[in-house]
Amino acid sequence: GQQLNQSPQSMFIQEGEDVSMNCTSSSIFNTWLWYKQDPGEGPVLLIALYKAGELTSNGRLTAQFGITRKDSFLNISASIPSDVGIYFCAGQQADSWGKLQFGAGTQVVVTP
Amino acid sequence: DVKVTQSSRYLVKRTGEKVFLECVQDMDHENMFWYRQDPGLGLRLIYFSYDVKMKEKGDIPEGYSVSREKKERFSLILESASTNQTSMYLCASSEQGAGYGYTFGSGTRLTVV
Repeated sequence: GQQLNQSPQSMFIQEGEDVSMNCTSSSIFNTWLWYKQDPGEGPVLLIALYKAGELTSNGRLTAQFGITRKDSFLNISASIPSDVGIYFCAGQQADSWGKLQFGAGTQVVVTP
Repeated sequence: DVKVTQSSRYLVKRTGEKVFLECVQDMDHENMFWYRQDPGLGLRLIYFSYDVKMKEKGDIPEGYSVSREKKERFSLILESASTNQTSMYLCASSEQGAGYGYTFGSGTRLTVV
């Protein structure tokens, strides 16, 4: 099955830095979601986006639904050690029976 | 607090054993999913179910089967475990449409020796 193209694959950043990651596809999606997975746990939903161009924030996290509906972006500002983990994008298409497609994940490591 | 519960966090099984991974959700969700997660490969869908007794193959169903006899419970079965099925297994559930996303369990790390 198709997977979304998520980049970068990994990021090593210093505490206080901003982080950006993105997800692209050749297909159109009507919902974009961003999840975070802490080590040894299941992914947890961070942000959900439902309209093209939508910009949504959750604390230091900001995500955008791309205008073309084929991409999405996640930014983390002023990173802290607990931001470490794997961030996944996910998209849902209109005819998908509620099934999501996932990116391969971005591993974020934060150093003091 | 609503949740998806996977019966085991860690499991070690021998090659050839029949393995059952259990998942229970308390949110009355219609949809349930089983994924496996491997480094560099992300989340790969094994099977999903959109109703009791209904099941659909995902992207990598070979070597697996599922059972959904009750709405809240979705079981993943490895008919004859092999070493290449060593992985993290994640169960998830969602309302029909998944517009609000999935709720995931904490995962079961299965090692087949």
